[in-house]
Amino acid sequence: EPEVTQTPSHQVTQMGQEVILRCVPISNHLYFYWYRQILGQKVEFLVSFYNNEISEKSEIFDDQFSVERPDGSNFTLKIRSTKLEDSAMYFCASRGDRGVETQYFGPGTRLLVL
Amino acid sequence: AQKVTQAQTEISVVEKEDVTLDCVYETRDTTYYLFWYKQPPSGELVFLIRRNSFDEQNEISGRYSWNFQKSTSSFNFTITASQVVDSAVYFCALSENTGNQFYFGTGTSLTVIP
Repeated sequence: EPEVTQTPSHQVTQMGQEVILRCVPISNHLYFYWYRQILGQKVEFLVSFYNNEISEKSEIFDDQFSVERPDGSNFTLKIRSTKLEDSAMYFCASRGDRGVETQYFGPGTRLLVL
Repeated sequence: AQKVTQAQTEISVVEKEDVTLDCVYETRDTTYYLFWYKQPPSGELVFLIRRNSFDEQNEISGRYSWNFQKSTSSFNFTITASQVVDSAVYFCALSENTGNQFYFGTGTSLTVIP
């Protein structure tokens, strides 16, 4: 069964450093998403991406965040200058193109900013 | 205002008991989708069910059942004969007609005691 994959599973970084989180969505999906979950809290929407551009973003997704689909398979989230409060689990999700369908989530990347 | 409310933060039951997890949502859209996801201790988000706003039929899948009531804006989830493996955080989520971001509730942490 196809699934969303994410790398790395864990990342530790120093405050101020740049990080890139990688996702490989399900191959025939066209809509891609990033969410984050601060430890013990709910899952929060960051950004959605379709047709090589951002279609929607939340207040959390400020100038330090960016997304990219550098090739036909990867979907990346870059945090330019990490802050302590960026420590969270980051989930990638994808969905197909027929109306509103289920978003399938990757296993997440746990980011720790020290 | 919260679009998805899960009033139960934590629930503990003894194995084989039935348990109902509550979810109340808020939307002005006439077309919307509701979801339940399971987050086991390993952290991934596992899709359980999707319901669209035009289908109020209750659904049963094994020990899981869902009760969707538009009149009360609720989409409750019942686990019958609970098992230790059901221990997890369960999230209810709403997707509105635009089909983009999911709005997650704060989750209900279920502990099934052997």
